Amino acid sequence: AQSVTQLDSHVSVSEGTPVLLRCNYSSSYSPSLFWYVQHPNKGLQLLLKYTSAATLVKGINGFEAEFKKSETSFHLTKPSAHMSDAAEYFCVVNPGYGGATNKLIFGTGTLLAVQP
Amino acid sequence: EPEVTQTPSHQVTQMGQEVILRCVPISNHLYFYWYRQILGQKVEFLVSFYNNEISEKSEIFDDQFSVERPDGSNFTLKIRSTKLEDSAMYFCASSEALGGDQPQHFGDGTRLSIL
Repeated sequence: AQSVTQLDSHVSVSEGTPVLLRCNYSSSYSPSLFWYVQHPNKGLQLLLKYTSAATLVKGINGFEAEFKKSETSFHLTKPSAHMSDAAEYFCVVNPGYGGATNKLIFGTGTLLAVQP
Repeated sequence: EPEVTQTPSHQVTQMGQEVILRCVPISNHLYFYWYRQILGQKVEFLVSFYNNEISEKSEIFDDQFSVERPDGSNFTLKIRSTKLEDSAMYFCASSEALGGDQPQHFGDGTRLSIL
């Protein structure tokens, strides 16, 4: 079965310090992986995507993620947190199945708090 | 930047009533989706739609649910006889093409409250 595990439900950092949000996935096929962000009362905004090209993926707002097949991980990082980064972050997998599905599978989300 | 728009932002309905949630996908996108998020739970896939028919649906998407593209711009989700457990945030999404690498673009959601 395909699944996504976000290891931390809450992460709190100080402004200007690094951010690490952890994600592990399980997929029998070559998956596509995404990070989405949800600010309060807003929809899901795409941060970045991995689709079997470069393993280090850069996204918007200074975020990046590294695909590590050996560890089945796709952790999200940012060198320096900003107050505006406070939001909920979702790791998402499209299992692939050779293109037969577009069904996204979501992790449970990580709520990022940024302290001044 | 083009975006997916959903209306209404909040819908309150009595149990047993029919409700229609509306979405306007991005104009050049061909694939449309509905997801839902019950409070405190994961975002869950409901259905995907292409070329005027359902291409995939989850076990949640039973006979109480239907989707339609009534004209060239709108994409709707209808719940025929709402239950208390249908209370959730419903997200519409669209993508340009099929394929695992195609990102889905989401609207801001409709919060459905069943009384």
